[in-house]
Amino acid sequence: AQKVTQAQTEISVVEKEDVTLDCVYETRDTTYYLFWYKQPPSGELVFLIRRNSFDEQNEISGRYSWNFQKSTSSFNFTITASQVVDSAVYFCAFHSGTASKLTFGTGTRLQVTL
Amino acid sequence: NAGVTQTPKFRVLKTGQSMTLLCAQDMNHEYMYWYRQDPGMGLRLIHYSVGEGTTAKGEVPDGYNVSRLKKQNFLLGLESAAPSQTSVYFCASSSSGRAYEQYFGPGTRLTVT
Repeated sequence: AQKVTQAQTEISVVEKEDVTLDCVYETRDTTYYLFWYKQPPSGELVFLIRRNSFDEQNEISGRYSWNFQKSTSSFNFTITASQVVDSAVYFCAFHSGTASKLTFGTGTRLQVTL
Repeated sequence: NAGVTQTPKFRVLKTGQSMTLLCAQDMNHEYMYWYRQDPGMGLRLIHYSVGEGTTAKGEVPDGYNVSRLKKQNFLLGLESAAPSQTSVYFCASSSSGRAYEQYFGPGTRLTVT
């Protein structure tokens, strides 16, 4: 069975600090997809990124970057120069490509203060 | 383009009452899903449907029923609400060819007292 672990329950940083959110997954599948979602205080789920298991290339989008390493089964998310608007709960998720569901981690609450 | 919509946005029920949550999508997606989100637990799949007239159980199906009478709608029913069903419910949809690309609704916050 698939499993997604987000060991960091809550992280607090001061604005402009860099912060990395960890995500570790377990699977025996060779084809799968990994995701990050943001859930701001308003409650909706905001899709941030999807990577497939065949593409280990890191990705950068503005202040956001993602590091996918199959060797350590990790898909970590870094926010550079954090801002107050980054305060949210961030979820890592997994889809096997054959199953019919997303498996979510328990989320990491990020609090960015001035 | 509305995407995935959920009705209602908020609801308070007393223990033992029944209600139905409605999910609608306008993307002609074959697959639809109901998840619940509880504090510290992430989202967990309740039921899902791979097509009109078909439904299947997810991780936490007990206490819920679903129906998919029309392709664009997926209903989640609680026959006899319990306080343990206090949660935020999210609906999602995806195409059959890209099941991993799920589009989420805004959520329904349900409180059972």
